[in-house]
Amino acid sequence: EAGVTQFPSHSVIEKGQTVTLRCDPISGHDNLYWYRRVMGKEIKFLLHFVKESKQDESGMPNNRFLAERTGGTYSTLKVQPAELEDSGVYFCASSQDLVAKNIQYFGAGTRLSVL
Amino acid sequence: KQEVTQIPAALSVPEGENLVLNCSFTDSAIYNLQWFRQDPGKGLTSLLLIQSSQREQTSGRLNASLDKSSGRSTLYIAASQPGDSATYLCAAKRVNRDDKIIFGKGTRLHILP
Repeated sequence: EAGVTQFPSHSVIEKGQTVTLRCDPISGHDNLYWYRRVMGKEIKFLLHFVKESKQDESGMPNNRFLAERTGGTYSTLKVQPAELEDSGVYFCASSQDLVAKNIQYFGAGTRLSVL
Repeated sequence: KQEVTQIPAALSVPEGENLVLNCSFTDSAIYNLQWFRQDPGKGLTSLLLIQSSQREQTSGRLNASLDKSSGRSTLYIAASQPGDSATYLCAAKRVNRDDKIIFGKGTRLHILP
């Protein structure tokens, strides 16, 4: 069974450009989460989808960030326009909606470098 | 507001030693607590998950404990090996089982051959 996959693994862009990150969750997982880690800080929650609906987007830093999950399968996170402080590693995770277990499985992350 | 703290930030120990990584959290109302491992350039690998009703979990040479009343968890690694070198992250999930995970900054562990 394939795990959570993220693309690209690394992106280098200039300030002001647009970047779109993609996450493919484990098949059948309704819950999809985005997290990010900026240098020197802990991994922080960005938002949570249940199928195609945003359950919690309290962690989104500002309106330059737009997350979508059309059809409830893969998700994209767009940063437009990118700023220097957006550099970091963006992780995606997915989980099933089970009562007994709700383990989040993480992807390898996308390392974003804004120059 | 839940905050998760990990001490120390970095640790180097000789191969073969037993070691303990510490994690503390400010809000005892957690759904579960999880220990992850992260290798450079790789994703997060879940090592152990302790439900709020449990006190410890074991997997091979790893043992994680949970004391909700004191807001602490420890990850014990027995007979450390160079392959254990990685960053270890502690994370707490709030009482809603679908809620977000709050991470600590991690402990960078280096096992000296």
